[in-house]
Amino acid sequence: QKEVEQNSGPLSVPEGAIASLNCTYSDRVSQSFFWYRQYSGKSPELIMSIYSNGDKEDGRFTAQLNKASQYVSLLIRDSQPSDSATYLCAVNGPGRRALTFGSGTRLQVQP
Amino acid sequence: SQTIHQWPATLVQPVGSPLSLECTVEGTSNPNLYWYRQAAGRGLQLLFYSVGIGQISSEVPQNLSASRPQDRQFILSSKKLLLSDSGFYLCACVKMDSKETQYFGPGTRLLVL
Repeated sequence: QKEVEQNSGPLSVPEGAIASLNCTYSDRVSQSFFWYRQYSGKSPELIMSIYSNGDKEDGRFTAQLNKASQYVSLLIRDSQPSDSATYLCAVNGPGRRALTFGSGTRLQVQP
Repeated sequence: SQTIHQWPATLVQPVGSPLSLECTVEGTSNPNLYWYRQAAGRGLQLLFYSVGIGQISSEVPQNLSASRPQDRQFILSSKKLLLSDSGFYLCACVKMDSKETQYFGPGTRLLVL
């Protein structure tokens, strides 16, 4: 079992819809959770971080964390074609030297 | 906020040639620094990390090495490149007071022929 799992996609949504990206992790003591966006040929850029159970909203983005179920999700409201990218989930916890990344979900927003 | 510079941006090298990629960080002191590689269509593979000058930890045994000669400088090297070394090399930084938030540089795309 991978430490951080994401559906590779592509996830295709129409413009204006809500895109829902999911991530599960295996280490129960994980404490920090991050979502990165990576456009083709570019480096990952941080979108959101979340540390506590519940929802965290930033503009059109909402991160949701459920530690009991060991999943973290990212919702993108009013999806735009410019949101088309690969979204990487990353997890950190006590004693870890670095973030553990999922392999990413490719999102396609259709105009 | 910190800024991460990487150069060169792209590089085409023959098999067996040496390699030196450089990463420098501005806007923070004593950061943790990381080298990742991303093969085409694949996830991020952690290669090396460093918590201070001269302190390097290797995550994957291979023909690559890393050095940190200065607090905000991280270098990735190889004496002889392999075809499998092709990929997108990313330097990342974590500020000590940033709750482990990791930021990436622009990357170096390496093609070994």
